[in-house]
Amino acid sequence: EVQLLESGGGLVQPGGSLRLSCAASGFTFSTSDMTWVRQAPGNGLEWVSAIRGNGVKTHYADSVKGRFTISRDISKNTLYLQMNSLRAEDTAIYYCAKMSKVGAATSYFDYWGQGTLVTVSS
Amino acid sequence: QSVLTQPPSVSGAPGQRVTISCTGSSSNIGAGDDIHWYQQLAGTVPKLLIYGNNNRPSGVPDRFSASKSGTSASLAITGLQAEDEADYYCQSYDRSLSGWVFGGGTKLTVL
Repeated sequence: EVQLLESGGGLVQPGGSLRLSCAASGFTFSTSDMTWVRQAPGNGLEWVSAIRGNGVKTHYADSVKGRFTISRDISKNTLYLQMNSLRAEDTAIYYCAKMSKVGAATSYFDYWGQGTLVTVSS
Repeated sequence: QSVLTQPPSVSGAPGQRVTISCTGSSSNIGAGDDIHWYQQLAGTVPKLLIYGNNNRPSGVPDRFSASKSGTSASLAITGLQAEDEADYYCQSYDRSLSGWVFGGGTKLTVL
């Protein structure tokens, strides 16, 4: 059974930093593309960042580029999101998700964690 | 403003058929990128509903189907049930943004 468990959320002041973790199990983490998606209170889903299975290629939404860094530790089956220079508009539930695709088609997010809440406020 | 445009809300009576549209552009749907759909029940985690334009993961009823044409896509739900009341999101990849994108979401109300 695929399981994704996020942690690391909390209250942080504007300009502060936070590192989110996502512990993965039940699938081959080392070869799976992974992603972070966030959802601000009462709002829709926003893709944040993704990392390829080999960990070499990373992608970021323009809204977080230069402030957030995605990474993974294969030995711990864990995905991370380092968030720096946080702003009030980064307040959201952050979900990690496993990515899949059929052939060369567009990736989709087939398994999601329960999410961790990040609140940026003074 | 989302890259993929969905109606904010749709509604239907039990047993009816409803559709939810998702309009993109030549840099995403129109470029041939697949559309995927997610269902988010109130207070829960998003769940994959349709992938690869019209494929259902195991456990998703065949009342749910999707299609794509040109720069648009749509999700159809037949035999509407109370348990279908949820937010629905379309998702694809945008070549101009070099990233994955979601629609703004559509709230389905079962009357």
